[in-house]
Amino acid sequence: GAVVSQHPSWVICKSGTSVKIECRSLDFQATTMFWYRQFPKQSLMLMATSNEGSKATYEQGVEKDKFLINHASLTLSTLTVTSAHPEDSSFYICSARVNQETQYFGPGTRLLVL
Amino acid sequence: LAKTTQPISMDSYEGQEVNITCSHNNIATNDYITWYQQFPSQGPRFIIQGYKTKVTNEVASLFIPADRKSSTLSLPRVSLSDTAVYYCLVGSNTGGFKTIFGAGTRLFVKA
Repeated sequence: GAVVSQHPSWVICKSGTSVKIECRSLDFQATTMFWYRQFPKQSLMLMATSNEGSKATYEQGVEKDKFLINHASLTLSTLTVTSAHPEDSSFYICSARVNQETQYFGPGTRLLVL
Repeated sequence: LAKTTQPISMDSYEGQEVNITCSHNNIATNDYITWYQQFPSQGPRFIIQGYKTKVTNEVASLFIPADRKSSTLSLPRVSLSDTAVYYCLVGSNTGGFKTIFGAGTRLFVKA
């Protein structure tokens, strides 16, 4: 149980375009999901906390207008990278809160902005 | 939020037992300790979780002393496929359940 999926697994886009990444909890409902970004050889960096039916909470230094998060249902959260630039190229990982103490992670999405 | 400190890297050989220790001196009363494994270009995978004493599952054991200021992940008889980065996370529902990743421990298993 507790499977989290992400789509797409990788995406290449041109600079200036927007990209949407989906995160789904497949066999459980998640009122809280998290979005992380990971650069090569580095740890995961928390970007924002996504709560179903309310606005996301962004970490300091993360532009909320740049990284739009929508958590419209108990099984789906989306991250849209707007007007993407090469520096946004990274590995984006979502997680879903299973219970009070545990989160399970998706497989990640590799974004390359040309 | 409790900060965690782990060794940056460790080397081992196949068949050996590997123990990775994590320090979390500021752990709060309601915090749980969770360990994840991450392979390159994949999301972290849940390994084990505990609150105190010892927890064991089919892949690992987690030892937590009484003061809970540290924890040790024990991997019995590692294989080459255990080469990965291991993260220790401390968090709870307190403060809205936010967990911050430390640097992790890069384990390299040699033949």
